[in-house]
Amino acid sequence: ELKVEQNPLFLSMQEGKNYTIYCNYSTTSDRLYWYRQDPGKSLESLFVLLSNGAVKQEGRLMASLDTKARLSTLHITAAVHDLSATYFCAVVNYGQNFVFGPGTRLSVLP
Amino acid sequence: EAGVAQSPRYKIIEKRQSVAFWCNPISGHATLYWYQQILGQGPKLLIQFQNNGVVDDSQLPKDRFSAERLKGVDSTLKIQPAKLEDSAVYLCASSKLRTRTGELFFGEGSRLTVL
Repeated sequence: ELKVEQNPLFLSMQEGKNYTIYCNYSTTSDRLYWYRQDPGKSLESLFVLLSNGAVKQEGRLMASLDTKARLSTLHITAAVHDLSATYFCAVVNYGQNFVFGPGTRLSVLP
Repeated sequence: EAGVAQSPRYKIIEKRQSVAFWCNPISGHATLYWYQQILGQGPKLLIQFQNNGVVDDSQLPKDRFSAERLKGVDSTLKIQPAKLEDSAVYLCASSKLRTRTGELFFGEGSRLTVL
């Protein structure tokens, strides 16, 4: 059974600082997704990582995938308040189903 | 392009009552998913349809939950009878078949409170 873990689960950081969120998964997969969820809202797709070594960047966020280590990272550069949200990673299993991690709740403080 | 539509957005019922949620996926998306998201947790798959056939319903509590997808388009998810632990947001998502990214697109969700 595919399990997806994230750490940290809660992250409070100062504006302007850098930090990394980690996503580990338990079985082989070559597709990993990052989603953002604002309170009371649905999930918004951020990144799609389709191969080992894939790196995607959008603004202050950069995501990478290491399929051999079964690890993805979401790096935040010079955080701003607008990045406050919950971030989920999701991995596709053999049945083409998305298995989501528990989420990392990020608060960026002024 | 219209997104995934869901209704109702909010529903409050008492335990042992029944409730139904409706989802209209993005036009042309063959695959439709229902997820349950309990407060503070990640979404958990309940059922996956491809066109109007069920691909995976292994995590659907079939004694109380049922779902159908009519004519391979709209879908309904029903809970009968509801329990307190069913309080959650029910998210519908859709995706195209055989795309490079296989990305899921989510609706706004239906928030259920069971009293």
